[in-house]
Amino acid sequence: DIQMTQSPSSLSASVGDRVTITCRASQSISSYLNWYQQKPGKAPKLLIYAASSLQSGVPSRFSGSGSGTDFTLTISSLQPEDFATYYCQQSYSTPQAFGPGTKVDIK
Amino acid sequence: QVTLKESGPVLVKPTETLTLTCTVSGFSLSNARMGVSWIRQPPGKALEWLAHIFSNDEKSYSTSLKSRLTISKDTSKSQVVLTMTNMDPVDTATYYCARIRAGLWWFDPWGQGTLVTVSS
Repeated sequence: DIQMTQSPSSLSASVGDRVTITCRASQSISSYLNWYQQKPGKAPKLLIYAASSLQSGVPSRFSGSGSGTDFTLTISSLQPEDFATYYCQQSYSTPQAFGPGTKVDIK
Repeated sequence: QVTLKESGPVLVKPTETLTLTCTVSGFSLSNARMGVSWIRQPPGKALEWLAHIFSNDEKSYSTSLKSRLTISKDTSKSQVVLTMTNMDPVDTATYYCARIRAGLWWFDPWGQGTLVTVSS
C-alpha cells in the first residue's frame, strides 16, 4: 500500500500570509494527488485534483503542484475562511490513502 | 445537484455489526463509471478510506479492514450499504460516503457524515 506523509503537521499563520503545505508519497504516484480542506464539524471539501487542477468554485489563491512523490499545496494570501485542516490523498492505486493532515490556525 | 446522505445507528455495542446506508441523489448508481466510497474519521484524527463500489459492481476494500467490511448497492433505491462486523471502541468515528468516478478517482462531493460511537 502507498503511504502518504504531510509536513508540517500544523502551522500558525496570519491573514495575508503565503502558506505552503507539502505532501509526500512512499512511491511514485505520477500526478494522482488530490487536496481537501476540512473545517471543524464539516465534511472535507475537494480543492485540487490531479495535483494541480482547481476544483470548480475554489478560489484561485489555492494552487497545487508536483508529480512523482513530492507535492505542494499553496495558499497565496491566507484568508480568514482558510483556517482549516488540509489533507492530501493519492488516487494512483487502491487503497486510496490520505495524508495525516496539516492544521492551519491563526497566529 | 449531487448530494449524499449517510444514515445508521448512533451507538453500537462492541462485537455488534454496524450497518450504514448512503442515499444518493442527483446521479444514478447505474451510470457508467459512477461509484461511492466510504471513508471514516475517528475524533481528532485523520481520514481513512474504507471501501468503494462502482456501477459495474466492482468493489474494493481497505487492506487492514477487508475481513470485516462488505459493501453493496441497491440501484433502484439509490443506496449504498456498508457493513462492518465485530465493532470495537476504536471504530468510533464519523463515517462519510462520497462520490467517486472511475478514471477520476477523487472524492466529490461528500455526505455530511454520521458519528458512530462504539460503547457498551
